[in-house]
Amino acid sequence: SQKIEQNSEALNIQEGKTATLTCNYTNYSPAYLQWYRQDPGRGPVFLLLIRENEKEKRKERLKVTFDTTLKQSLFHITASQPADSATYLCALEPMEYGNKLVFGAGTILRVKS
Amino acid sequence: DAGVIQSPRHEVTEMGQEVTLRCKPISGHDYLFWYRQTMMRGLELLIYFNNNVPIDDSGMPEDRFSAKMPNASFSTLKIQPSEPRDSAVYFCASTPGQASPYGYTFGSGTRLTVV
Repeated sequence: SQKIEQNSEALNIQEGKTATLTCNYTNYSPAYLQWYRQDPGRGPVFLLLIRENEKEKRKERLKVTFDTTLKQSLFHITASQPADSATYLCALEPMEYGNKLVFGAGTILRVKS
Repeated sequence: DAGVIQSPRHEVTEMGQEVTLRCKPISGHDYLFWYRQTMMRGLELLIYFNNNVPIDDSGMPEDRFSAKMPNASFSTLKIQPSEPRDSAVYFCASTPGQASPYGYTFGSGTRLTVV
């Protein structure tokens, strides 16, 4: 069956460290992969999109990698801050499904000062 | 642009009543999506529209759910009759097109409680 798996356990890190979140998928052939941030009581907010032919993409303190062989994306936040605490969602737009963005369950990140 | 606008923010209704959720997408976005979020199932796609036409409603749970998009600036999601298991946060999202570098823009959601 098709699955998108993210760390089910919350990730707790110290301010200033790099947070690394993992997204693994099975039985999908995504053309694109996206990362979103969601705060309590709010809708998801788009962060980054990476295409299958891109290995890495950066935006300020954020970095995303996409390995279609491993079927994995890694999401890094460098120099993390307490304000980065949120749930981070990985989402795929599988080629075989047209414009349907399918989401993982998300990983809760807590950055402690 | 004010972003994707959803109303109401909160809705509490009794089982069996009709519920209508509303969404105004971002102007110029050709795609509109309705998602439902629960703790157990996460974010699930219910239906999406392209240029006001429903493209895929395979995620709509039952015939009790229906969605319309009468024009480019308005969509509704209706549940009739509502049941307690429909309690969830319902999100509307829009995007200009496939693999947009701007991703999807989500509204703030409607928290529905059916008692």
